[in-house]
Amino acid sequence: KNEVEQSPQNLTAQEGEFITINCSYSVGISALHWLQQHPGGGIVSLFMLSSGKKKHGRLIATINIQEKHSSLHITASHPRDSAVYICAALMDSNYQLIWGAGTKLIIKP
Amino acid sequence: DVKVTQSSRYLVKRTGEKVFLECVQDMDHENMFWYRQDPGLGLRLIYFSYDVKMKEKGDIPEGYSVSREKKERFSLILESASTNQTSMYLCASSGNFNSRQGRPNEQFFGPGTRLTVL
Repeated sequence: KNEVEQSPQNLTAQEGEFITINCSYSVGISALHWLQQHPGGGIVSLFMLSSGKKKHGRLIATINIQEKHSSLHITASHPRDSAVYICAALMDSNYQLIWGAGTKLIIKP
Repeated sequence: DVKVTQSSRYLVKRTGEKVFLECVQDMDHENMFWYRQDPGLGLRLIYFSYDVKMKEKGDIPEGYSVSREKKERFSLILESASTNQTSMYLCASSGNFNSRQGRPNEQFFGPGTRLTVL
């Protein structure tokens, strides 16, 4: 069983819809990392959070440490948001990340 | 901006060749990582380094070696390339301290090298 589980695996939505991607983890972590990968390979760091909520533009990330769960939300989604979104858990006192499998998001115009 | 660069975007090599993939970061990060990414398997850690001349095996080190002679540069070496090493290779770096460039252990990635071994 993966220690970091993402859902859904694939998500297709219409432009403008509110998007939620979930990430659950079963290990003790010090932080949760959300990243975005566009077709062509480049991976971009979106958020790293250890509690509460962070917002950047139309992206919002939340984490509930007690429930070992994090969500990434996209408001007013746009076709340019189409990408793979990956969550990764930073282990306590460790440099390494445990990676989720990614959620492939397609936003249709 | 954090800048992580990789020596090639695309590379084609023959079976048995020695292959060098170079990664350079300009943010004085202590930690550097090499991953490979394959369809359906996600990101898998090959090796990482938390200091100059230090290296640690990741999840799939077999068939690879690394070198970190300078803080900004981390090289991945395929001693004798094989077809099952055809993949996308991604380098990342992270710092140990809060900075303008990010939080501790927030990883920043290079653009990737798509390696094909024939």
